[in-house]
Amino acid sequence: QVQLVQSGAEVKKPGASVKVSCKASGYSFASYYMHWVRQAPGQGLEWMTIINPTGGSTSYAKKFQGRVTMTRDTSTSTVYMELSSLRSEDTAVYYCASSNRGPGLMDVWGKGTTVTVSS
Amino acid sequence: QSVLTQPPSASGTPGQRVTISCSGSSSDIGSNAVNWYQQLPGTAPKLLMYSNNHRPSGVPDRFSGSKSGTSASLAISGLQSEDEADYYCAAWDDSLNGVVFGGGTKLTVL
Repeated sequence: QVQLVQSGAEVKKPGASVKVSCKASGYSFASYYMHWVRQAPGQGLEWMTIINPTGGSTSYAKKFQGRVTMTRDTSTSTVYMELSSLRSEDTAVYYCASSNRGPGLMDVWGKGTTVTVSS
Repeated sequence: QSVLTQPPSASGTPGQRVTISCSGSSSDIGSNAVNWYQQLPGTAPKLLMYSNNHRPSGVPDRFSGSKSGTSASLAISGLQSEDEADYYCAAWDDSLNGVVFGGGTKLTVL
C-alpha cells in the first residue's frame, strides 16, 4: 500500500530554518514525482515545489524561490523540504504528495506536518 | 490570490445536484488536465477526480468532472451529508512550470 509518512510538528523562531521529511513506502519511489504543498490556517492549498523522478531536477513556485530547497534520498525513499528565513506567515501545515502519472497530479498525500513560526 | 478561480462557497440539500466551477487560462487548464481534490475537515486532501473526468478507485460515480477550453467543473449528484468538504481544482501550468490551485470551494450540505 502506497504511503507517505511525514516528520513531526516543528516550532521555530522567525529567521530560522525548518527541514521537513517525507518517507515513501509501498511503491517504486524512484519513478514518482514528489510535491510539497502547504496550507496556512483557514486558507487554501498552495503549491511549493516538485522533484522530477528522472534525474531529480526540481522546480519551485516563484513565491518561494531562494528560500526553499527540495531534496531526495533514493536510498531511503525520503524527500525533504527545507524552508529558510522563516516568518510568521510561514505557519502552516506542510503536505508531501506523489504521483507516477505526470507532474500535475497528486495521487497520494501525507498526513501533513505542522510548522509554527513564533517568537 | 489563486491562479485558478473557484467560487468560495456552494451549497445544496441532500439529493440535489451541485456544480463547482474552475476557471483558468491557456497555460494551465487550456493546455493540461484538471484534477480535483476533496479535503474533509481536519484531514489531508484526497484525489477526487483526475485528467478532467476520471474517478480514482473508490470514488462514487455521483462525482463527475468536465473541461472545456480554459474552464472545468465538478458535479456532485445525489448530494449527501458526507460530501460536506472543501474542493480544490488544480492543473499544471506550462508558464510557471508548476502546479496551480484554485482557491477552494467550501461545500455545505443544508
